[in-house]
Amino acid sequence: DSGVTQTPKHLITATGQRVTLRCSPRSGDLSVYWYQQSLDQGLQFLIQYYNGEERAKGNILERFSAQQFPDLHSELNLSSLELGDSALYFCASSVGTSGSQFFGPGTRLTVL
Amino acid sequence: DQQVKQNSPSLSVQEGRISILNCDYTNSMFDYFLWYKKYPAEGPTFLISISSIKDKNEDGRFTVFLNKSAKHLSLHIVPSQPGDSAVYFCAASALSNQFYFGTGTSLTVIP
Repeated sequence: DSGVTQTPKHLITATGQRVTLRCSPRSGDLSVYWYQQSLDQGLQFLIQYYNGEERAKGNILERFSAQQFPDLHSELNLSSLELGDSALYFCASSVGTSGSQFFGPGTRLTVL
Repeated sequence: DQQVKQNSPSLSVQEGRISILNCDYTNSMFDYFLWYKKYPAEGPTFLISISSIKDKNEDGRFTVFLNKSAKHLSLHIVPSQPGDSAVYFCAASALSNQFYFGTGTSLTVIP
């Protein structure tokens, strides 16, 4: 158990819909990262927040957005969902702005 | 544009032998490298790291080698155990802190 929690574990929705994925980092970690893992793909970095502020941005679509709240939990919002958005979404956390990251168990999103 | 590549999708090794997992990268600015291990239905777990000032880092049965001139990273597991069967991801970052991950190598250790 990494100490990073993600909810829900599974999510099934339809194209065009909007979903919110939630992540709680390990106690004491200030950075939260979001990754997408599609079939046969590596982990694609989406976005990083550090202590409530956006720190780095990767291959995140405009239809996706994220935020980190004062209690340090983070939410990833995915809107106008497409079939290709079906993937595993991982959240990770770290103490500082860099270094080893601890991953949550992931949320499996299926868009039908 | 895949900046970190793991060209072997799978690897099978006999228990007790050495497992060697390889990773290549293209960005010469990368200065920090990590290996993660992932079991099915779980998130990746950190295994071992190395910074670009070193060429080797060892932790028990796991050793990571870095060849900066070849932009090549490898993970050696000796001796391999059935519990090592998992997907292994290498990752690299530069000062920007964004980590780039490879596509993973599925290791099977045969008892």
